[in-house]
Amino acid sequence: DGGITQSPKYLFRKEGQNVTLSCEQNLNHDAMYWYRQDPGQGLRLIYYSQIVNDFQKGDIAEGYSVSREKKESFPLTVTSAQKNPTAFYLCASSLTSGRNEQFFGPGTRLTVL
Amino acid sequence: GENVEQHPSTLSVQEGDSAVIKCTYSDSASNYFPWYKQELGKGPQLIIDIRSNVGEKKDQRIAVTLNKTAKHFSLHITETQPEDSAVYFCAASISNQFYFGTGTSLTVIP
Repeated sequence: DGGITQSPKYLFRKEGQNVTLSCEQNLNHDAMYWYRQDPGQGLRLIYYSQIVNDFQKGDIAEGYSVSREKKESFPLTVTSAQKNPTAFYLCASSLTSGRNEQFFGPGTRLTVL
Repeated sequence: GENVEQHPSTLSVQEGDSAVIKCTYSDSASNYFPWYKQELGKGPQLIIDIRSNVGEKKDQRIAVTLNKTAKHFSLHITETQPEDSAVYFCAASISNQFYFGTGTSLTVIP
């Protein structure tokens, strides 16, 4: 069953704690992306990676970090430096050549108390 | 960078009527235009897409049109059903980067 998985679906953390959101894909996609979505808002790009061991900052990278050690995995860490971390986080992936449709995971809702 | 604008932000239609959502983009280099449907609490699902070498694409009740000269593209849903109610996002893509509109909340009234 191919696709993108994100875990957990809901995550609660205390203010000041770092938290890591998981994203895994078995679509053999080269590129992976992290977006943040706030209520009633569009999608804002946090980080993206087009190849293993390489990633680029998006529009709102401050307070976030990522790694891309494996093609199928792209975890996102929300650090204590992120001033307003409560949001819905979406991971996506796509091929970088040919048909480059972008597919999304189910999302993780992070609430910082 | 690319800028995508989407209108309207909310749209209500009677069941069976058509719905049209419009997007404009700024960068003529954009060459791929997907549309996503997002239900509450879920990730966006790709419902239809169009590439810059095509003017129109249809899939059952859903169609997308692209006007490269005017830099706008539109989603058309015919014979709307209550299950079409969701938030719809357009996007424009250049070099594997995706730029999204702010979304349209569609409500289909039974």
